Amino acid sequence: DAKTTQPNSMESNEEEPVHLPCNHSTISGTDYIHWYRQLPSQGPEYVIHGLTSNVNNRMASLAIAEDRKSSTLILHRATLRDAAVYYCILTRSNFGNEKLTFGTGTRLTIIP
Amino acid sequence: DGGITQSPKYLFRKEGQNVTLSCEQNLNHDAMYWYRQDPGQGLRLIYYSQIVNDFQKGDIAEGYSVSREKKESFPLTVTSAQKNPTAFYLCASSKRQLAGGYNEQFFGPGTRLTVL
Repeated sequence: DAKTTQPNSMESNEEEPVHLPCNHSTISGTDYIHWYRQLPSQGPEYVIHGLTSNVNNRMASLAIAEDRKSSTLILHRATLRDAAVYYCILTRSNFGNEKLTFGTGTRLTIIP
Repeated sequence: DGGITQSPKYLFRKEGQNVTLSCEQNLNHDAMYWYRQDPGQGLRLIYYSQIVNDFQKGDIAEGYSVSREKKESFPLTVTSAQKNPTAFYLCASSKRQLAGGYNEQFFGPGTRLTVL
């Protein structure tokens, strides 16, 4: 299975954009990229997913490199509620409900 | 409100005792999952079930057992055979794989189990 690499931690100022990187150099052509986040002492929640094209939803944007070996989760205007661990996950399908392999993720700290 | 309920939030047990963690969902989801999370680590899949009366082992099933007698419920038993059971346990559910569209997993609030 293709693996992902994320920085252990990042900091950002409140109300500024945040770019969370994910490297997946061994991604296959049919692997989908998913992002979940986990707020302190809670279960994870889905953020966004994509295959090749950039994606936007109400929570975030996902920018996928042309060679698909990396992607970036973009929070356009960080708030204190965005402080969480963000996980970048690859899966073989677009169903979303298959086995998810969570790495250690990136712990995002928001500075007031 | 629809959602996933896990109870209790905190659970303490003596070493050598079996313990059952509850997971209930009213989202009408077919698929349910159990994950384990250790401090500073990501989640690891213990068991999952795509439909009632059927379940499969995940990556770390040893020392755990599950049942899926009802669509709404997927209890996890941590047996005395589990060598290091102290952890944060998370239950999730989703629409079944064959359902149309994207079927993200919805997670419960978790149960923090401490074995003394």
